[in-house]
Amino acid sequence: GNSVTQMEGPVTLSEEAFLTINCTYTATGYPSLFWYVQYPGEGLQLLLKATKADDKGSNKGFEATYRKETTSFHLEKGSVQVSDSAVYFCALSVDSGGSNYKLTFGKGTLLTVNP
Amino acid sequence: GAGVSQTPSNKVTEKGKYVELRCDPISGHTALYWYRQSLGQGPEFLIYFQGTGAADDSGLPNDRFFAVRPEGSVSTLKIQRTERGDSAVYLCASSLGQGLQETQYFGPGTRLLVL
Repeated sequence: GNSVTQMEGPVTLSEEAFLTINCTYTATGYPSLFWYVQYPGEGLQLLLKATKADDKGSNKGFEATYRKETTSFHLEKGSVQVSDSAVYFCALSVDSGGSNYKLTFGKGTLLTVNP
Repeated sequence: GAGVSQTPSNKVTEKGKYVELRCDPISGHTALYWYRQSLGQGPEFLIYFQGTGAADDSGLPNDRFFAVRPEGSVSTLKIQRTERGDSAVYLCASSLGQGLQETQYFGPGTRLLVL
């Protein structure tokens, strides 16, 4: 089946620190990969995505590269801000017989950035 | 514009009772999804609607769970004979169409507690 494993939190960083949240996956087909973010009191929002190997998704200073050889999609940001404090979810979707809408999520990683 | 809204935001009920959870998708979005997020876990797919019909209900855990979308807009998730294990956050998402290029927009969720 399909599954996503992401690093356990919580992660606590100081402002301007470098962030990495690891994500690896297993998939029965060729997946598209996503990072979603959930800010306090808000719904899940798509942060970035990549649909094929070696693609790099980027948004708001965050980046993640689709690595097929290591089945990974690690999230990085060079300098975090207090406003980046949120829960981050790695997810995948596999195009299988037309059912490419199902998102399979990891457990989420809570990030807290202190001033 | 308005995002996906869900009501109620919180629901407390007693074991054995019936509950209804409502989702108002973004206007014009034909695809609607329900997910369930248990404590410490990522969201898990429940059901997908394209228009008025449930195109995929493979994620519903058992026949106590049912969802409708009679006019292709608002959807209601219905849970009969609730059990303590049903306690979770129920998330609704909508997208303009169906497919990997279509971003799913999530609502803030309904937090259900079964006592």
